[in-house]
Amino acid sequence: KAGVTQTPRYLIKTRGQQVTLSCSPISGHRSVSWYQQTPGQGLQFLFEYFSETQRNKGNFPGRFSGRQFSNSRSEMNVSTLELGDSALYLCASTLRTGSAGELFFGEGSRLTVL
Amino acid sequence: TQLLEQSPQFLSIQEGENLTVYCNSSSVFSSLQWYRQEPGEGPVLLVTVVTGGEVKKLKRLTFQFGDARKDSSLHITAAQPGDTGLYLCAGAPAGQGGKLIFGQGTELSVKP
Repeated sequence: KAGVTQTPRYLIKTRGQQVTLSCSPISGHRSVSWYQQTPGQGLQFLFEYFSETQRNKGNFPGRFSGRQFSNSRSEMNVSTLELGDSALYLCASTLRTGSAGELFFGEGSRLTVL
Repeated sequence: TQLLEQSPQFLSIQEGENLTVYCNSSSVFSSLQWYRQEPGEGPVLLVTVVTGGEVKKLKRLTFQFGDARKDSSLHITAAQPGDTGLYLCAGAPAGQGGKLIFGQGTELSVKP
């Protein structure tokens, strides 16, 4: 069974640009969550999607957005990038929403903003 | 805002020593999970505890959920170099779907 796949693995952007990150969940998993990981703040919840609907959102500005497609694949977008957006962005999938079952994480997309 | 305070942040020990990592909060969680993350990889689930007072053992690792479901601990017996990694506790707030609140993590280094 293939794991959670995130692309790209690494990317470098400059301030003011925008970025789109992609996540393909484990086959059969319908819930996808996104987390931002930084040395200072640890892992922070961005949002959760289930059946193409955002079910939960963390305390991030509106520059952070996401969506989920009918095949459960998800994308997140960050607009007007700031230096502080440099982080590892982790996607996790699980079978269903409604309760915190085991999250299966991808390897992450490491974003550097210059 | 729900927070999970994890301690210690860094731990460097010799092979064979025992250690305990703590995770504390003023909030109640419906469940608490422990993950381990290695460099360049995403976190991998070690255990989920659900019932207050629950104790789970996974080989040399013992996990405990506090009676009030606000705190948890991870105890490793006779640590080995292969235990090196970042250990993360994560609490599930009640009624918030799949959202997890993560602790800051404990960076464990076990020297041979």
